[in-house]
Amino acid sequence: GENVEQHPSTLSVQEGDSAVIKCTYSDSASNYFPWYKQELGKRPQLIIDIRSNVGEKKDQRIAVTLNKTAKHFSLHITETQPEDSAVYFCAAWQTGNQFYFGTGTSLTVIP
Amino acid sequence: KAGVTQTPRYLIKTRGQQVTLSCSPISGHRSVSWYQQTPGQGLQFLFEYFSETQRNKGNFPGRFSGRQFSNSRSEMNVSTLELGDSALYLCASSLVRTGYEQYFGPGTRLTVT
Repeated sequence: GENVEQHPSTLSVQEGDSAVIKCTYSDSASNYFPWYKQELGKRPQLIIDIRSNVGEKKDQRIAVTLNKTAKHFSLHITETQPEDSAVYFCAAWQTGNQFYFGTGTSLTVIP
Repeated sequence: KAGVTQTPRYLIKTRGQQVTLSCSPISGHRSVSWYQQTPGQGLQFLFEYFSETQRNKGNFPGRFSGRQFSNSRSEMNVSTLELGDSALYLCASSLVRTGYEQYFGPGTRLTVT
């Protein structure tokens, strides 16, 4: 089955700096890659996603890039704010299959 | 639209007992997936239901089972509870089969003593 690895497991940045979280996947058939944000005690929330026919997608301060050849995708958060502090999960999915999640990155934005 | 709801939110059970958790998807959503979330293992897929049929199953023992009703509401059951079953159980719904935007419920926190 698919294997998704996520790095780093923890990340601390100063407010206003950028944060980058990277995920690699093993199965080239995976074609949908969402990112979720989970604040403490809350449910995971979809923040951005990308499909395999697209290389980059942006939504205000958040962007996701996908490199199909290298089988990795990354979440980029610019101008970080304290409310960006949360655990972020990546996932990979392929047609007819299940979602495979990364192990999460705990992001702390220091004011 | 109301979001995904799960009941109960918290549950304490004893080893050997069984438990049933419920999930109501967003209105119009037909796919429901269940996940187990633990600090050490992250989000682990349990199963996916679509149109009352189990479409995918994760690598969990047969003690974990589920079903989906005609109104898309879903239940999962865990029999013969073990201490290691203590976790947050999340369900997620999507409009069609997974592979599209998935929206999570608040989860049921299960503690097995």
